[in-house]
Amino acid sequence: GQQVMQIPQYQHVQEGEDFTTYCNSSTTLSNIQWYKQRPGGHPVFLIQLVKSGEVKKQKRLTFQFGEAKKNSSLHITATQTTDVGTYFCAGSVSSGAGSYQLTFGKGTKLSVIP
Amino acid sequence: DTEVTQTPKHLVMGMTNKKSLKCEQHMGHRAMYWYKQKAKKPPELMFVYSYEKLSINESVPSRFSPECPNSSLLNLHLHALQPEDSALYLCASSQDRWGQEYGYTFGSGTRLTVV
Repeated sequence: GQQVMQIPQYQHVQEGEDFTTYCNSSTTLSNIQWYKQRPGGHPVFLIQLVKSGEVKKQKRLTFQFGEAKKNSSLHITATQTTDVGTYFCAGSVSSGAGSYQLTFGKGTKLSVIP
Repeated sequence: DTEVTQTPKHLVMGMTNKKSLKCEQHMGHRAMYWYKQKAKKPPELMFVYSYEKLSINESVPSRFSPECPNSSLLNLHLHALQPEDSALYLCASSQDRWGQEYGYTFGSGTRLTVV
């Protein structure tokens, strides 16, 4: 079945440092979605990437989708304590007859040291 | 209204109890989902309802029974659960059938403890 690998599992950074999490799929994706889950909270949709090589920015967050649509990354510039949480990628693959399967990566838990 | 509302927020139940989780959205989304999330793990899909019809049941044990009374409501009926069923149960909705356009909107979840 489809697998989405996400690394690293944990990342501790000093406030102001940059942070990157990577996702890699075993199959070509229709799209990839990114979610953030704060401690004790629920996943919140951040963005969706659809096109090969797509790059999107949201303030200090930069999202990339690989040319082969198998890998993606989320980069945060100059982390802040408000960035703390677990970041999940979720890859979508067509499973035929107009249906799709969404598979979550295991997430990267970001801790920011003030 | 851009929220998915779940009740209750916390639930403790015995293994012989019957309880129900409720989920509601008024965004006009036509697909709704139940996910289960264990600590430090990603969400796992349990059920998908599209246009009020069950589309996917990811081989979930029969002690979990979903119900979709209308396009805005989703219930999860629980019966004879096991302690290992303790988890955060998340409801989600999407504007299109598979969340291909704008992703999923998750509720804040019900934290379930089975004793």
